[in-house]
Amino acid sequence: NAGVTQTPKFQVLKTGQSMTLQCAQDMNHNSMYWYRQDPGMGLRLIYYSASEGTTDKGEVPNGYNVSRLNKREFSLRLESAAPSQTSVYFCASSIPGQGTYNEQFFGPGTRLTVL
Amino acid sequence: GDSVTQMEGPVTLSEEAFLTINCTYTATGYPSLFWYVQYPGEGLQLLLKATKADDKGSNKGFEATYRKETTSFHLEKGSVQVSDSAVYFCALRRGYNTDKLIFGTGTRLQVFP
Repeated sequence: NAGVTQTPKFQVLKTGQSMTLQCAQDMNHNSMYWYRQDPGMGLRLIYYSASEGTTDKGEVPNGYNVSRLNKREFSLRLESAAPSQTSVYFCASSIPGQGTYNEQFFGPGTRLTVL
Repeated sequence: GDSVTQMEGPVTLSEEAFLTINCTYTATGYPSLFWYVQYPGEGLQLLLKATKADDKGSNKGFEATYRKETTSFHLEKGSVQVSDSAVYFCALRRGYNTDKLIFGTGTRLQVFP
């Protein structure tokens, strides 16, 4: 049981290049999330997917697109990278539940640098 | 809008010292409150939670009490260890109809032998 996995672990891009960050979970969770972590800013939600086939914008969606390929996989795409997107990106998943809280499980992160 | 404010770090302590990391929140309604921990090079892990006023969450010697009157959820531990060195995030969940979290900025704890 690997939990939440992310690839790649590190990436350096030039301004204007595109790339896709991959995330997969093997816990049969319905909800998946993409966050970015910046110094002094904490974690901010980029996009959210409540279930396969649905996605929703979070706090900072500009410059990103997502795809919920199936129940396991949730990818984040940067179409034209900018230096402001230099950050550490975390994927997370959870079982959604009304009236109770189901823990979010996080991947190890992808450290992205845009030059 | 809803928000979480944490004390700035780093917090530097000697082993066996008492730890307090302050967290206050602003939210409408009755949020649930959480502490997550991030060890070096890893993703976040849930440390403890409290879902209603006066609840006390606890785990691994850490405790936090949901104080609605002061809108606070301070993290405490009586005797820290070097292995507790990490970044600690306070977070809130707005209500029952969402699993989305709002995180504070994080507080780095460094414990020296």
